[in-house]
Parts: sequence; structure tokens; C-alpha cells
Amino acid sequence: GQQVQQSPASLVLQEGENAELQCNFSSTATQLQWFYQSPGGSLVSLLSNPSGTKHTGRLTSTTVTKERRSSLHISSSQTTDSGTYLCAPNNYAQGLTFGLGTRVSVFP
Amino acid sequence: DPKIIQKPKYLVAVTGSEKILICEQYLGHNAMYWYRQSAKKPLEFMFSYSYQKLMDNQTASSRFQPQSSKKNHLDLQITALKPDDSATYFCASSQETRQNTLYFGAGTRLSVL
Repeated sequence: GQQVQQSPASLVLQEGENAELQCNFSSTATQLQWFYQSPGGSLVSLLSNPSGTKHTGRLTSTTVTKERRSSLHISSSQTTDSGTYLCAPNNYAQGLTFGLGTRVSVFP
Repeated sequence: DPKIIQKPKYLVAVTGSEKILICEQYLGHNAMYWYRQSAKKPLEFMFSYSYQKLMDNQTASSRFQPQSSKKNHLDLQITALKPDDSATYFCASSQETRQNTLYFGAGTRLSVL
């Protein structure tokens, strides 16, 4: 089955700094989704990027399908960005396989 | 207003008992799912339903039984509860199965004593 490795496991930022989160996966993926899990536990889809580069707000995702990796860049971090970022590559399976995530802490 | 409602938010149960976790979605989606998140483990896919039919079951134990009485409902019955079942259970939905955009409920945090 699909294996997902996310790095770093945690990241501490000062407000305004940028961050780069990495996701590596073991099997072919035709879909790749990034999620945000708040400190309270709620889960929100951030963006879907199966290949290439995609932007939404201060987030940029770049997925290199052949190399089985994706990154999520957060620019000008804010304290409200604190939480865990989860990567979920998929290849037409019914359910998504998630990584353990990168826990981001942004301090003022 | 939340579009996926999970009840209850917190649940405490004794070992050996049975509980039902409720999920209703008001997004008009045709596919619904259950995921589980245990401490120090990744979010784990359990079941998927499409048009009230089971599409995939990745749960080894028959103690976990999804129930879909309506298209927008997918409850989860758990019998013979064990302490290892303690986790947060998330209900999710998407327009169709295998879709990119998955929407999650707030979760039910289950503690089995």
C-alpha cells in the first residue's frame, strides 16, 4: 500500500517567515491533497495538486509526480497558520492514505 | 454552520460496551467515509460508502459496522469496545467517491475505559 513520509516532523517559525513542507510517497499517485488540521483537531482541505505547481493565497504546492514528492510552501507565516499539515496522495483508491504530518508553530 | 454534523463530540465508554457514532452531511454529496485518528498515528481510512452502498472496508475487525439509513447519513456502530478503540473518529464526504476534495466533520473523540 501507499506509504507517506512528511518532513520535517515539526517546524517553529517567527511570524513573517516562510516555510517549506515536504511529502514523499511510495506509490504512483494521480491525486494529491494537502490538508490542515487545527490545534483543536478540525480538518480542512487546503488544495489539490496532482502535478505541477498550484497557488492559493499564501500557499504554493509543487508536485513532481515522477519523483513521488510534493512540497507545500507557506509564505509570510501568521500565528493562525499554526497547526498540522497533512499530505494525502492517492491513486483512485476509495480512501486516502495520510502522512503523520508536519506540525507548524508560528510565534509572534 | 457546520455542513457535516457528528454526534456526540465526546464519548466515554466502558470496555465491552457498544456505541453508535452519528454522522449527517448537508453538502449534497454522494460519498461518505469514516476515518480514525489515534494518538501518534496517521489518520486512517476505515470505510467508504457511495449512494448508501459499501465501496471499501479497510477495517479488519467486524466490531465496526457502518450504517446508512439515508443517503446523507453514515453512522458507525462499534461493539465490544476495547481501550485500543480510543481515538477520534472523523466522518467525511465528497461529491463522488475517489474525489480530490474531501470534507471532514469535527470528529467524535471516543475514550474507552
